[in-house]
Amino acid sequence: EVQLVESGGGLVQPGRSLKLSCAASGFTFSNYGMAWVCQAPTKGLEWVASISTGGGNTYYRDSVKGRFTISRDNAKNTLYLQMDSLRSEDTATYYCARDYYDGYYYVMDAWGQGASVTVSS
Amino acid sequence: DIVLTQSPALAVSLEQRATISCKTSQNVDNYGISYMHWYQQKPGQQPKLLIYEGSNLASGIPARFSGSGSGTDFTLTIDPVEADDIATYYCQQSKDYPRTFGGGTKLELK
Repeated sequence: EVQLVESGGGLVQPGRSLKLSCAASGFTFSNYGMAWVCQAPTKGLEWVASISTGGGNTYYRDSVKGRFTISRDNAKNTLYLQMDSLRSEDTATYYCARDYYDGYYYVMDAWGQGASVTVSS
Repeated sequence: DIVLTQSPALAVSLEQRATISCKTSQNVDNYGISYMHWYQQKPGQQPKLLIYEGSNLASGIPARFSGSGSGTDFTLTIDPVEADDIATYYCQQSKDYPRTFGGGTKLELK
């Protein structure tokens, strides 16, 4: 069974940092791209960042470029999101998702339960 | 960025058909493939993939769900609607970065 378990969320002051982790199991982690998607309270889904299987290619939404870093450790089957210079508008639930690639398109076919991040003084 | 537009809500009766639309600001097809996917999200839960590549049913999803469309106009159909289907539905494109989602359509009971 595919499992994605996020951790590392919490309350943090504006301008500070937080690092989210996503532990993967039930599939060969190194064979899949991975992604982070966020959802602000009562709002819709927003893609945040994606990373390729080996970690060599990363992609970010404009609002987090230069502040967030997606990375992965294939030996530990773990995905990360380093969040620096946090702003109140980053307050959201952050979901880790498996990014399946069939040779033509990517689709996020499995999701974790989410980690809540609150940025407030 | 490719903008995806969905109606905010749809009221439907049980056992009836629900049709949820998603319109994109640019063509999300390429070489005959639609880079359009649909997700279901129930309150307090993570999203779940329903439909990928415009019309393909994801694993474990009941056949009452179906997807159609191409180019800039896509539709998710639920027929017949069951009580367990009350949720918010999102379309999402993966043709270009940034990946973008529609604003979501909340399916409600009449």
